[in-house]
Amino acid sequence: GAVVSQHPSWVICKSGTSVKIECRSLDFQATTMFWYRQFPKQSLMLMATSNEGSKATYEQGVEKDKFLINHASLTLSTLTVTSAHPEDSSFYICSARVSGLQTYTGELFFGEGSRLTVL
Amino acid sequence: GENVEQHPSTLSVQEGDSAVIKCTYSDSASNYFPWYKQELGKGPQLIIDIRSNVGEKKDQRIAVTLNKTAKHFSLHITETQPEDSAVYFCAARGTALIFGKGTTLSVSS
Repeated sequence: GAVVSQHPSWVICKSGTSVKIECRSLDFQATTMFWYRQFPKQSLMLMATSNEGSKATYEQGVEKDKFLINHASLTLSTLTVTSAHPEDSSFYICSARVSGLQTYTGELFFGEGSRLTVL
Repeated sequence: GENVEQHPSTLSVQEGDSAVIKCTYSDSASNYFPWYKQELGKGPQLIIDIRSNVGEKKDQRIAVTLNKTAKHFSLHITETQPEDSAVYFCAARGTALIFGKGTTLSVSS
């Protein structure tokens, strides 16, 4: 299947700082990427839908000023957690939908996740 | 919006037995139903999927069935092995992919 890469896989930061997480589709183009958040032993909760070249669409209850999403190219979306606090500590997972006429069109592939710990 | 219910939350089987996980969805417009396997500390991995124009799909020991009328779909794993132990998520996609709460499968040898 297609490969989605996330970086960093684990980050620890101090409260009040901002952290950027990158999501890259390595062997396909993705006009749409999704960001999920997962707390321990819980399911994945959709945070926002990122579309290349336009503003992200946030799910209800997700603060767009706190979780900044940028999808500047067909292979890269970034999530920036601004002024992070301990309650933002979580596993953040991105996914990318294969677009156009590429193999696996329409399917969704996930990155390996980024574990954020805010001290 | 879409709501996906998944059962059971935990499932323990002996090696070689079959395991069945069931999900229901609410949005009749959903047309894509993937199943993911997630191991500890890793992202979800797609193991099988089914689209709304198909009733059943099989890939070696894994099969998925879909009943559009009843709006439910199931994952079947036969001849389970210890390495099948993981958390399994079903999902349904309409405008976005919505996940069930997950099933922790434990296969003991």
